[in-house]
Amino acid sequence: QSVLTQPPSASGTPGQRVTISCSGGSSNIGSYTVTWYQQLPGTAPKLLIYRTDQRPSGVPDRFSGSKSGTSASLAISGLQSEDEADYYCAAWDDNLNGPVFGGGTKLTVL
Amino acid sequence: QVQLQESGPGLVKPAGTLSLTCAVSGGSISSDNWWTWVRQPPAKGLEWIGDIYHSGTTNYNPSLKSRVTISVDKSKNQLSLRLSSVTAADTAVYYCTRPRGGAWFDPWGQGTLVTVSS
Repeated sequence: QSVLTQPPSASGTPGQRVTISCSGGSSNIGSYTVTWYQQLPGTAPKLLIYRTDQRPSGVPDRFSGSKSGTSASLAISGLQSEDEADYYCAAWDDNLNGPVFGGGTKLTVL
Repeated sequence: QVQLQESGPGLVKPAGTLSLTCAVSGGSISSDNWWTWVRQPPAKGLEWIGDIYHSGTTNYNPSLKSRVTISVDKSKNQLSLRLSSVTAADTAVYYCTRPRGGAWFDPWGQGTLVTVSS
């Protein structure tokens, strides 16, 4: 099982706002920033959010990240069909002395 | 900008050794960077394998440490992954990537699927 816990699935209709949660502990999210990746089918993960709430250039501002305590969230507003993908959270972990990932959330745009 | 490209055999026999390379272009592997391998079993999540600094310093996932070797070849501007005593559980897409801090990785290679089967 993954160290970081994500819901296996999420869904929304076009234009809606969807939130994906990521729960961890004091050794990871509680102490470090969170990264989010988007993975389209058959492709490599793509950086979506880094340092908890920063967007790389080219990522629409419809995507936003936040953190509170040992949990983090990814919010997608104005949902679009091309947002249908798997989303993974990640954070450094002191127990592993390396990065840990969530199990991924499959987002379906209805 | 830096681009990464993994390559290697797509099929490895059980108990054999998986060997992959990751070619770095658009930048020097000897620049002030760590380099990382991550894998993803079919229909599953991502797992960190290990990192290497250009000097050769390594940091491995304890669950794989006894079987993993990551190395750099500065003359070829590439890094390598060797995983010994493989089983079906090692079947996965293997990615190389560049860590930017913590769990922030960018860019990623396109990945290469390795199947462990007789």
